[in-house]
Amino acid sequence: GNSVTQMEGPVTLSEEAFLTINCTYTATGYPSLFWYVQYPGEGLQLLLKATKADDKGSNKGFEATYRKETTSFHLEKGSVQVSDSAVYFCALSDTGNQFYFGTGTSLTVIP
Amino acid sequence: KAGVTQTPRYLIKTRGQQVTLSCSPISGHRSVSWYQQTPGQGLQFLFEYFSETQRNKGNFPGRFSGRQFSNSRSEMNVSTLELGDSALYLCASSLAGDIQYFGAGTRLSVL
Repeated sequence: GNSVTQMEGPVTLSEEAFLTINCTYTATGYPSLFWYVQYPGEGLQLLLKATKADDKGSNKGFEATYRKETTSFHLEKGSVQVSDSAVYFCALSDTGNQFYFGTGTSLTVIP
Repeated sequence: KAGVTQTPRYLIKTRGQQVTLSCSPISGHRSVSWYQQTPGQGLQFLFEYFSETQRNKGNFPGRFSGRQFSNSRSEMNVSTLELGDSALYLCASSLAGDIQYFGAGTRLSVL
């Protein structure tokens, strides 16, 4: 079946540090891959997506590349800010339009 | 364009009661999905409705049910509430089954 595994948190970084949040997936077929972000007290917001192998999604300085050979979609940012503190979810969408989410990784950025 | 609206934002119920949550999708979106979010389990898929028909269903007991109206608004109902049903319930709407747009959620506390 389909599933998403992402690195356990919480992650605490200093401002301007490099961020990587690992995400691997299991899927039949060719899913679309997503990163969503959830700020305190809010719902999830789409951060970026990639729909096929080797696609790179990017937004607000965040990037992730769809790696079919390693079934991965790791989230990276070169220099995090305090405002990036949130919970990040990796997700996939299969051909049946059903979404599968990881358990979320909490990020705290300290000044 | 208005986003996904969920009402109420907060609910407190006691064990054995039932509850109905409401979700109004983004105008024009015909797909509505429901998720249960808990600290230990992350986001778990409940069900998805498209044009008033349940198209996908997660692995939840029959106490959890939903429906969708002709205007695409959706409700979910939980009967015979248990303490373990305390969670944030998120609704997401989608236009073409690709990107999901989330509401802020309904926080349900069962005492």
